[in-house]
Amino acid sequence: GAVVSQHPSRVICKSGTSVKIECRSLDFQATTMFWYRQFPKQSLMLMATSNEGSKATYEQGVEKDKFLINHASLTLSTLTVTSAHPEDSSFYICSANVGGSYINEQFFGPGTRLTVL
Amino acid sequence: GESVGLHLPTLSVQEGDNSIINCAYSNSASDYFIWYKQESGKGPQFIIDIRSNMDKRQGQRVTVLLNKTVKHLSLQIAATQPGDSAVYFCAENFPGSAGGTSYGKLTFGQGTILTVHP
Repeated sequence: GAVVSQHPSRVICKSGTSVKIECRSLDFQATTMFWYRQFPKQSLMLMATSNEGSKATYEQGVEKDKFLINHASLTLSTLTVTSAHPEDSSFYICSANVGGSYINEQFFGPGTRLTVL
Repeated sequence: GESVGLHLPTLSVQEGDNSIINCAYSNSASDYFIWYKQESGKGPQFIIDIRSNMDKRQGQRVTVLLNKTVKHLSLQIAATQPGDSAVYFCAENFPGSAGGTSYGKLTFGQGTILTVHP
């Protein structure tokens, strides 16, 4: 159980275009989902916390108008990278909190490799 | 943006040896700690966790030790196998309403590259 999927797994786009990444919890409902970014040979950095039915909470330094997050249902959160530039090329990973516990137990998706040309 | 010249700590062991991976965490108020394994091009995979009211927890072939006095966490892997080769991250959870959830938010350590030689 507690499987999280992401789509697409890889995407290549031209500079200036927008890209949408989907994160789904397949066998559970996730009130809270998280979006991370990981550059090569670096750790995961939390970008934002997404709560179903409310606005996302962004970490300091993350532009909310550039990284649009929508969590419209208990099983789906989307991250849209708007007007992408080469420096946005990265590995984007989502996770979901299973809930029902006081601990922050998160299950991670397989990640999406974004390359902006 | 991306940092250049960043080198993750590395640990090389022979198959069958025991491995110990260390992590220093930053926040004395963190209440929950997790070790993740990440293979190339994949998302983090949960290995084992420990709550702050414990100092040791054992799983299958893995043990996590927590020393809150010096804010140190370690992961011990017994009889390491080539399939254990990956990057290992520790993560600490800072509790409260940070990040918009009552659960808190995770902060990841820098990671350690484990290479197991047959």
